[in-house]
Amino acid sequence: EAGVAQSPRYKIIEKRQSVAFWCNPISGHATLYWYQQILGQGPKLLIQFQNNGVVDDSQLPKDRFSAERLKGVDSTLKIQPAKLEDSAVYLCASRTTGTGVSGNTIYFGEGSWLTVV
Amino acid sequence: QQPVQSPQAVILREGEDAVINCSSSKALYSVHWYRQKHGEAPIFLMILLKGGEQKGHDKISASFNEKKQQSSLYLTASQLSYSGTYFCGTGALRAAGNKLTFGGGTRVLVKP
Repeated sequence: EAGVAQSPRYKIIEKRQSVAFWCNPISGHATLYWYQQILGQGPKLLIQFQNNGVVDDSQLPKDRFSAERLKGVDSTLKIQPAKLEDSAVYLCASRTTGTGVSGNTIYFGEGSWLTVV
Repeated sequence: QQPVQSPQAVILREGEDAVINCSSSKALYSVHWYRQKHGEAPIFLMILLKGGEQKGHDKISASFNEKKQQSSLYLTASQLSYSGTYFCGTGALRAAGNKLTFGGGTRVLVKP
């Protein structure tokens, strides 16, 4: 089974520029998450989708971050304009539906490393 | 609110045991454990659900005390491959869409 795919793996941009990250979840997974992980810290949830609807975006800095999942499959996370403090790994994760262990397990992609200079 | 992990770091010799703790101020529905090596994605280890359902991984096991809102991860007879940073992720309520809130991590180094 293919895992969560993300691109690009690495990106270096100057502050005030824009950047976009793409995620393709595991096939059939209805729930998709974007997490931000700053070096040395645990992942922090930015936004959660259920199919193409937003479930939780309470920690998304909406003045500069946006995300969409138009057809309920792939998702894009955009930052515009970027700030130095946005330097982090952006992790996409997905989960199927259902109960029990299978329905609650969340799988992560390898992440997109962003450096803002 | 972020769960608290302890210790922040631990150094082991191969074959030794270690315990990593995760505690939350909120009532928990689920606790998820991940291991992350530098530059890689967090790898799912196991999940513990309210009511006792659990899934293990090699010689790594965990417990979940629902009343105390705590979980512990047990690394038994540690191997070099166990090195990495361990994160617990807590899910407060199933109705909340199983959003995970992660702790700050515990760095584990296993030496030969």
